[in-house]
Amino acid sequence: KAGVTQTPRYLIKTRGQQVTLSCSPISGHRSVSWYQQTPGQGLQFLFEYFSETQRNKGNFPGRFSGRQFSNSRSEMNVSTLELGDSALYLCASFALGNLDEQFFGPGTRLTVL
Amino acid sequence: DAKTTQPNSMESNEEEPVHLPCNHSTISGTDYIHWYRQLPSQGPEYVIHGLTSNVNNRMASLAIAEDRKSSTLILHRATLRDAAVYYCILRSFQGAQKLVFGQGTRLTINP
Repeated sequence: KAGVTQTPRYLIKTRGQQVTLSCSPISGHRSVSWYQQTPGQGLQFLFEYFSETQRNKGNFPGRFSGRQFSNSRSEMNVSTLELGDSALYLCASFALGNLDEQFFGPGTRLTVL
Repeated sequence: DAKTTQPNSMESNEEEPVHLPCNHSTISGTDYIHWYRQLPSQGPEYVIHGLTSNVNNRMASLAIAEDRKSSTLILHRATLRDAAVYYCILRSFQGAQKLVFGQGTRLTINP
């Protein structure tokens, strides 16, 4: 069974631009979560989608948004990029149960110049 | 969200057992104790979880104190591949989709 895939793996943008990151969950998984990892703040929850609906949202500004498609693939978008958005963005998927193991992808490393 | 406290770092030798502690004094009765680890340049991966009883799987063992205010992840024979940051996370059924990561414990394994 293929794991969680994220594209692109690396990305360089400049301040003010916007970016879209993609995540394909494990086949059969209907829930996708997004996390931001920085050296200063560690791993922080961004949002979670289930069956194309956002179920949970972390404490991030509205510049961070996401969506999920009918095939469970998910995208997250960051508009008006700031230097502080430089981070590793991780996607995780799990099957059905709320306490199920979450499977993480390798992440997308975003650098904002 | 209930909080966990872990040592910032620990060091051990290859092929020796490693005991990684976690304090969670404000744990509620419905909180499960989960452990994830993050190897260098990878996303986190699930290790083990439990509620009240000790648990074993192919990767590790989880020992939970009787009052559930602390737990210990046990790696029975550490290898160099076990060098990672280990996170102890509390999850309740409601809102469990969100993993709340602390700073974790950075485990170094010496050859």
